Amino acid sequence: AQKVTQAQTEISVVEKEDVTLDCVYETRDTTYYLFWYKQPPSGELVFLIRRNSFDEQNEISGRYSWNFQKSTSSFNFTITASQVVDSAVYFCSLSGTYKYIFGTGTRLKVLA
Amino acid sequence: DAGVIQSPRHEVTEMGQEVTLRCKPISGHNSLFWYRQTMMRGLELLIYFNNNVPIDDSGMPEDRFSAKMPNASFSTLKIQPSEPRDSAVYFCASILRAVDEQFFGPGTRLTVL
Repeated sequence: AQKVTQAQTEISVVEKEDVTLDCVYETRDTTYYLFWYKQPPSGELVFLIRRNSFDEQNEISGRYSWNFQKSTSSFNFTITASQVVDSAVYFCSLSGTYKYIFGTGTRLKVLA
Repeated sequence: DAGVIQSPRHEVTEMGQEVTLRCKPISGHNSLFWYRQTMMRGLELLIYFNNNVPIDDSGMPEDRFSAKMPNASFSTLKIQPSEPRDSAVYFCASILRAVDEQFFGPGTRLTVL
């Protein structure tokens, strides 16, 4: 069975703090893809990053970074020096063989 | 590109009425997804099509829900009869290849009174 767990329902931080959003997945597929999406208060879902199961290199994009570890089946997302505009719900997602699974999301509140 | 287009953006209806939600995927994309989002249940995949054929409809809650994709540029999600518990935001998304990220439409906010 495929599953994505985002154990953190809601996180509040003060602006400029670093924050890590956790994502743990389960799959039997050997080839799969992991994604992060952002849903700001306006409601649209925006793609942030994709990783395939054979690429464990961490990635950094500006203040965003992602840590993929197959050994722990985790794909965590870190925001450095958070800003109020980062306030949103963040979803981790897994796609495998004809399966597309989303986690329940983590609501991040960045306080000024 | 116009992105994924959904209509209507908002729909308010009364219990028992038929509701039809529409989606136009990005041109050239060959897979289309329908999701429902509520506070209680989060983001749920209802059904997805590949090359206009339904591949997985295991998320469709019950027989009151039906989805069609008559051609590559149009899909509908129909609820008949609608119930208050169907109130949610319904998203449509499309992808070019199975390995790609999904492009989401703006959603349809459905309220069933």
